[in-house]
Amino acid sequence: SQQGEEDPQALSIQEGENATMNCSYKTSINNLQWYRQNSGRGLVHLILIRSNEREKHSGRLRVTLDTSKKSSSLLITASRAADTASYFCATEKFTGNQFYFGTGTSLTVIP
Amino acid sequence: GAVVSQHPSRVICKSGTSVKIECRSLDFQATTMFWYRQFPKQSLMLMATSNEGSKATYEQGVEKDKFLINHASLTLSTLTVTSAHPEDSSFYICSARLPTGLAGGPGPDTQYFGPGTRLTVL
Repeated sequence: SQQGEEDPQALSIQEGENATMNCSYKTSINNLQWYRQNSGRGLVHLILIRSNEREKHSGRLRVTLDTSKKSSSLLITASRAADTASYFCATEKFTGNQFYFGTGTSLTVIP
Repeated sequence: GAVVSQHPSRVICKSGTSVKIECRSLDFQATTMFWYRQFPKQSLMLMATSNEGSKATYEQGVEKDKFLINHASLTLSTLTVTSAHPEDSSFYICSARLPTGLAGGPGPDTQYFGPGTRLTVL
């Protein structure tokens, strides 16, 4: 299977705390992207990090990529109840190629 | 930004019937669209890659005669679940890739996802 794995599977934190999710994948990649999905809804693109990048920021999001370990992490700082959702990483081997999604992390932020 | 729609959002059908799901790119032309399925509390599994004007490329283990994909225009791809059975009940999501990045957008590497179609087969 090309699917990556994420951990933890589920994460529950208090509002204001930071949330960290990890993604591991199996093959070399062109880029890795993080998506968010609210229950029963479509996916929202959060951030893209290319294979030659090590870290990227977008608002309260920080993504790192370690290609030697084939892993990435997503950090959400100062979490809010509205951040409650499932978060998925997706890897792309070549530009224009298919995405393969990780297993996802279900995040619950308690108000 | 790029918008992708799906229709219907929900469908309930009897076992043995066929169901067609449409995926449209509303404000851009998509030469490539992708179809995923997602079971409850699980991740998205890529089913097939749909290229305008050519046959779809199916992932290993996906029956092409069961899941018919047609990408007849640059803005529309359809997925038909033929002779649906209860085990086909799932959330089906399509996505579209921009041939070139929209101004201010994240770039051509990004896929834009539809809102999904919930299929329930009784």
